[in-house]
Amino acid sequence: EVQLVESGGGLVQPGGSLRLSCAGSGFTFSTYWMTWVRQAPGKGLEWVANIKQDGSEEYYVDSVKGRFTISRDNAKNSLYLQMNSLRAEDTAVYYCGRLLYGSGKRPNFDYWGQGTLVTVSS
Amino acid sequence: QSALTQPASVSGSPGQSITISCTGTSSDVGGYNYVSWYQQHPGKAPKLMIYDVNNRPSGVSNRFSGSKSGNTASLTISGLQTEDEADYYCSSYTSSSTLVIFGGGTKLTVL
Repeated sequence: EVQLVESGGGLVQPGGSLRLSCAGSGFTFSTYWMTWVRQAPGKGLEWVANIKQDGSEEYYVDSVKGRFTISRDNAKNSLYLQMNSLRAEDTAVYYCGRLLYGSGKRPNFDYWGQGTLVTVSS
Repeated sequence: QSALTQPASVSGSPGQSITISCTGTSSDVGGYNYVSWYQQHPGKAPKLMIYDVNNRPSGVSNRFSGSKSGNTASLTISGLQTEDEADYYCSSYTSSSTLVIFGGGTKLTVL
C-alpha cells in the first residue's frame, strides 16, 4: 500500500524557517517525481514545487522562489521542503504527493499524504 | 498567474448528471492536454479523479469523465450519488513561469 506521511509542521514567526519531511513507503520512491501542494485555511489548492526522480530538476510557484527548496533523499525514501523567510501568507496545510508514473511535469498527483499544518504568526 | 476559473458551486439530485467547467488560457488548458481533476472531501486529502483531460486512474468510477474544448475543460459526473458531494479542483500544466496551476474549486452539493 502506498503511503505518504508528512511531518515538521508547526507555529513559526514571520521571517522564520521550517523544514517539512515526507516519508514514502509501499512504492519505489526513487522512480517517481514528487510534489508539494498547499492549502490555506478555507481556501483552494496551490501547487508549490515539484522534483524529478534523481533531484536534477526542481520547479517552484513564483511566490516561493528563492525562499523554499524542495529536495529528496532516495536512500531514505524521503521528500523535504525547506521553507525560509516565512510569511503570514504561507500559512497552510502542506501536502506531499506523488506524480502518476510517467507524468513528468504534468499535474497528475495520484497519491497524497494527510498534510501537515504550517502556521506563520507572531 | 491567475487561477483557472471554476464555478463556485454546482448542485444536482441523486441520479442526475452535472458538469463542472474549468476555464484557462492558451498557455495552460488550451495549449496542452494536461488537465487533471481532484475530489476533496472536508478534512481529507485530495483524490485524483481524471488526468490528461480524460483518463481515469485505476479504481475511479466510470461515472466520472473529462473533456476539453478550446480553453475550457470539463468534468462530468453522471448518476450522482450522495458520496460525490465534495469540492472539486481542476489543474493544468502551464507554460508560464509557474509549472502547475489550480482552479479555485467548485463545491458540489447533492440535494
